[in-house]
Amino acid sequence: ETGVTQSPTHLIKTRGQQVTLRCSSQSGHNTVSWYQQALGQGPQFIFQYYREEENGRGNFPPRFSGLQFPNYSSELNVNALELDDSALYLCASSLALTRDRGPYEQYFGPGTRLTVT
Amino acid sequence: QQPVQSPQAVILREGEDAVINCSSSKALYSVHWYRQKHGEAPVFLMILLKGGEQKGHEKISASFNEKKQQSSLYLTASQLSYSGTYFCGTAPPGSARQLTFGSGTQLTVLP
Repeated sequence: ETGVTQSPTHLIKTRGQQVTLRCSSQSGHNTVSWYQQALGQGPQFIFQYYREEENGRGNFPPRFSGLQFPNYSSELNVNALELDDSALYLCASSLALTRDRGPYEQYFGPGTRLTVT
Repeated sequence: QQPVQSPQAVILREGEDAVINCSSSKALYSVHWYRQKHGEAPVFLMILLKGGEQKGHEKISASFNEKKQQSSLYLTASQLSYSGTYFCGTAPPGSARQLTFGSGTQLTVLP
């Protein structure tokens, strides 16, 4: 059984640039959630994708967007990067029977450390 | 709104017990507990649902007081491997899939 993987591990970008982070969900999982974790804080929910559709969104601006692919892997895109976007970005996969049923235990990837200068 | 965890930090000796609390100002549908070691991904420990259902690891115990919107995680006979930051995540009714995590409780177990 393959766990959740994320790429890249680390990334340094300049303010105003755009970035794409990638996540491969655990085998058999159909739901991916993305979180932003600032240093010393708990993960903050960005959004969730269930079977390629957005299925809930946290309090993040529209410049944070995502995709889920038919193999249930996912991307997080952030446009117009700001210094405050510097954080660890975590994705977590789970298996949901329907889009409305939950909650489910989530399996987190190791994260992508994004630094915006 | 973010749940409040207490204590913020605790230091134990191996074999001692600890309780970590999580409190919300909103009605809850579920409480989730995760442990994160430094530089690693959070690891699932337990889900507690309104109505009493629990899913989690056998060696972990927790409680969920629905009326008080509080949950407690009980760590008994702690081991060195229990060290890490413990996060509770809460989900309100109607938004069961969206977790709001607390700021964490840092647990250090010393030999």
